[in-house]
Amino acid sequence: EVLLVESGGRLVQPGGSLRLSCAASGFTFRGYWFHWVRQVPGKGLVWVSHINSDGSETNYAENVRGRFTISRDNDKNTVFLQINSLRAEDTGVYYCAREVVFPDRMIDYWGQGTLVTVSS
Amino acid sequence: SLELTQPPSVSVSPGQTARITCSGDVFAKRYAYWCQQRPGQAPVMVIYKDIERPSGIPERFSGSSSGTIVALTISGVQAEDEADYYCLSTDSRGTWVFGGGTKLAVL
Repeated sequence: EVLLVESGGRLVQPGGSLRLSCAASGFTFRGYWFHWVRQVPGKGLVWVSHINSDGSETNYAENVRGRFTISRDNDKNTVFLQINSLRAEDTGVYYCAREVVFPDRMIDYWGQGTLVTVSS
Repeated sequence: SLELTQPPSVSVSPGQTARITCSGDVFAKRYAYWCQQRPGQAPVMVIYKDIERPSGIPERFSGSSSGTIVALTISGVQAEDEADYYCLSTDSRGTWVFGGGTKLAVL
């Protein structure tokens, strides 16, 4: 069974830092791309960041570039999102999502999310 | 432009057909994807590459594309289809963009 389990979300003050983790199991981890997607409770989904299979390529939404860093450990089957200089607008549930890239691209599995709350 | 525009809400009665549209210049060159998010749950992709349905998704879900407008059609809507639906697109580098979401109400 494919599982993605996020962790690391908590209440943090503005300006603080967090590292989110996404532990994967049930499949060959290194064969997939991964994404982080944020959702403010009651609002829509917003794409945040992407990492390719070996970690050599990463992409970020404009409003997080320079503050967020996505990485992966293919030996530990885990994706990370380091979040620095946290702002109130970073608040939300952060979902980890797996993307199949061959033969067709598709996001096929999502985790249940971890809640980040930025507040003083 | 990477902006995707959806209607905020669509309402249908059980058994009817629901059609949710999404517009964006990106669809002239890129595929559309759709995901469903039921209340309190993680999203699930229901359509990829404009018209393809992932395994396990009921046949009543279908997608279409015409120029810069794409659509998700749910035929014979059931109560369990009540959810938020998001259109998406992606570029070759791996970035994705979501539409604002459409709340489907099954009355």
